[in-house]
Amino acid sequence: EDQVTQSPEALRLQEGESSSLNCSYTVSGLRGLFWYRQDPGKGPEFLFTLYSAGEEKEKERLKATLTKKESFLHITAPKPEDSATYLCAVKVNQAGTALIFGKGTTLSVSS
Amino acid sequence: KAGVTQTPRYLIKTRGQQVTLSCSPISGHRSVSWYQQTPGQGLQFLFEYFSETQRNKGNFPGRFSGRQFSNSRSEMNVSTLELGDSALYLCASSLAPSNTEAFFGQGTRLTVV
Repeated sequence: EDQVTQSPEALRLQEGESSSLNCSYTVSGLRGLFWYRQDPGKGPEFLFTLYSAGEEKEKERLKATLTKKESFLHITAPKPEDSATYLCAVKVNQAGTALIFGKGTTLSVSS
Repeated sequence: KAGVTQTPRYLIKTRGQQVTLSCSPISGHRSVSWYQQTPGQGLQFLFEYFSETQRNKGNFPGRFSGRQFSNSRSEMNVSTLELGDSALYLCASSLAPSNTEAFFGQGTRLTVV
């Protein structure tokens, strides 16, 4: 069964304290891995798509990387406005067009 | 460029009633997917529509249905509501099913009492 697991469930950081969020996946036929950010009461906001192992993408303080079994979302020198839930999702051959989501990591950054 | 628009934003319904939610995709996007988000199960895929045809369906009972119109707007319907149907219902649009990037709306918060 295709599965996506995110860790930790919750992460508290001080402003400027860099860290990483993990997304591990057990799937057959990965077609893409996606990172989204979700603020309370809002829909997920698209951040990155990664397609193959070794690929990296950056946006401001965020950098996403991908290996054959997991992806990391690195947050460098976070600010309070980076507080949100970060969701990882995969698209796999067997699921057609559906995104399979992890449960998310809730990040809190305090000043 | 306008994003994905979902209406209404909030709904309160009574058990046994039915409800219809609406989604207008980003202009030019022809694929619309629906997801249910709950604290316990997270985001789960309901179904996807492209060119007015259902292309893919998740593991939900037949009480959940949808349709897509010629202008790509989509509606989902839930009949005989149950308390467990209380959730945030999210719509995502993409250019086409083969296009991997999906953009979400703000969601409709459904509460069943």
